[in-house]
Amino acid sequence: DIQMTQSPSSLSASVGDRVTITCRASQSISSSLNWYQQKPGKAPKLLIYGASSLQSGVPSRFSGSGSGTDFTLTINSLQPEDFATYYCQQSYRLHTFGQGTNLEIK
Amino acid sequence: EVQLVESGGGLVQPGGSLRLSCAASGFTFSTYWMHWVRQTPGEGLVWVSRINIDGSSTNYADSVKGRFTISRDNAKNTLYLQMNSLRAEDTAVYYCAKEAYSSSITNFDYWGQGTLVTVSS
Repeated sequence: DIQMTQSPSSLSASVGDRVTITCRASQSISSSLNWYQQKPGKAPKLLIYGASSLQSGVPSRFSGSGSGTDFTLTINSLQPEDFATYYCQQSYRLHTFGQGTNLEIK
Repeated sequence: EVQLVESGGGLVQPGGSLRLSCAASGFTFSTYWMHWVRQTPGEGLVWVSRINIDGSSTNYADSVKGRFTISRDNAKNTLYLQMNSLRAEDTAVYYCAKEAYSSSITNFDYWGQGTLVTVSS
């Protein structure tokens, strides 16, 4: 099974900050990496697919990069609505999610 | 508008059974692979199962293999998850998700609101 490890598990930041979340796969997954945002009591929402492609309707302050085993999600100029939990997901071999990164307001 | 609406969750005793349903609308259900994902506070998001467009191919997470069965009725635009021999560790919110295939990468572009399954005596 492919394991996905996110870091950090939690992060405090302020409105306007730039934040980066990292996801590492236990083996190479090419670019088969997606990022989701989840708010309390809601279903996850797709942000980035294929490591770097922005899902339709997602603000351009969100971006993704990486390939192989190491990936990053970057959020530029944090907005109040961005405080949520973020998950990476590999779709190279079935599906595995990272454990999540809780982005909190500082 | 794409909608996925789960139902069938509830309280069940260990060893019991439950069938979840996911009613789909707003897209051509019969042309998309579908998935079940569950979430607990401790484990986060865990992929459970997937089914291809006509139901001829299915896959399961090791933790549910042999106990859960995914199926679909394309005439009714509905996805199912039959859960047998339920355990306390199956307690979770269960989501159905629609698969998208973009640039040779699969992802889950739409999710239902989730249905809570609680396994407890």
